Amino acid sequence: DTGVSQNPRHKITKRGQNVTFRCDPISEHNRLYWYRQTLGQGPEFLTYFQNEAQLEKSRLLSDRFSAERPKGSFSTLEIQRTEQGDSAMYLCASSFGNPNEQFFGPGTRLTVL
Amino acid sequence: QKEVEQDPGPLSVPEGAIVSLNCTYSNSAFQYFMWYRQYSRKGPELLMYTYSSGNKEDGRFTAQVDKSSKYISLFIRDSQPSDSATYLCAMSPPYSGGGADGLTFGKGTHLIIQP
Repeated sequence: DTGVSQNPRHKITKRGQNVTFRCDPISEHNRLYWYRQTLGQGPEFLTYFQNEAQLEKSRLLSDRFSAERPKGSFSTLEIQRTEQGDSAMYLCASSFGNPNEQFFGPGTRLTVL
Repeated sequence: QKEVEQDPGPLSVPEGAIVSLNCTYSNSAFQYFMWYRQYSRKGPELLMYTYSSGNKEDGRFTAQVDKSSKYISLFIRDSQPSDSATYLCAMSPPYSGGGADGLTFGKGTHLIIQP
């Protein structure tokens, strides 16, 4: 499968715990995006990498959130001290060339109890 | 007012009908328009990408953009039960070469095609 992959697919955690998600983009895609989607809403942009550089962060990305893309390939999104409001689907997308043609992974569904 | 408005539905039509899905937007900086299909508990799948005003056709799908009215549409001909999904419109301003390249999405319209 050469699409965007995300792990884990599901994560259940208790409030206050830290969680980390991984995204593997399509090979050779230099741009990588993280979005958050809650029930009944469209995805909301969180942050964007071009190669290993994090070029943009949304106001939605509080200081409890951090993202990395250390070698310009896979990326991780960490949420510290999770809150119930963090429960959502976390989507990763990648693109190459045209930044508007973004290809999404299956998402990681986070449930904070 | 949200930047992108999309009726969440649900929209239920019989198999074989022509489906019309719409979004309006308020930000005139948006120049690129996309339609994504999302099945339950899956990631969005890119269906159509358009830039200029007018129509773009791909198989049973036609995307229409009217920048003067800030209104975009997706038409599905000969609808099939497998088309049942949530359809999301998405938009972005011109690529700034390193700035915000995140897409702005509508809420999505839940479409049901009845066999």
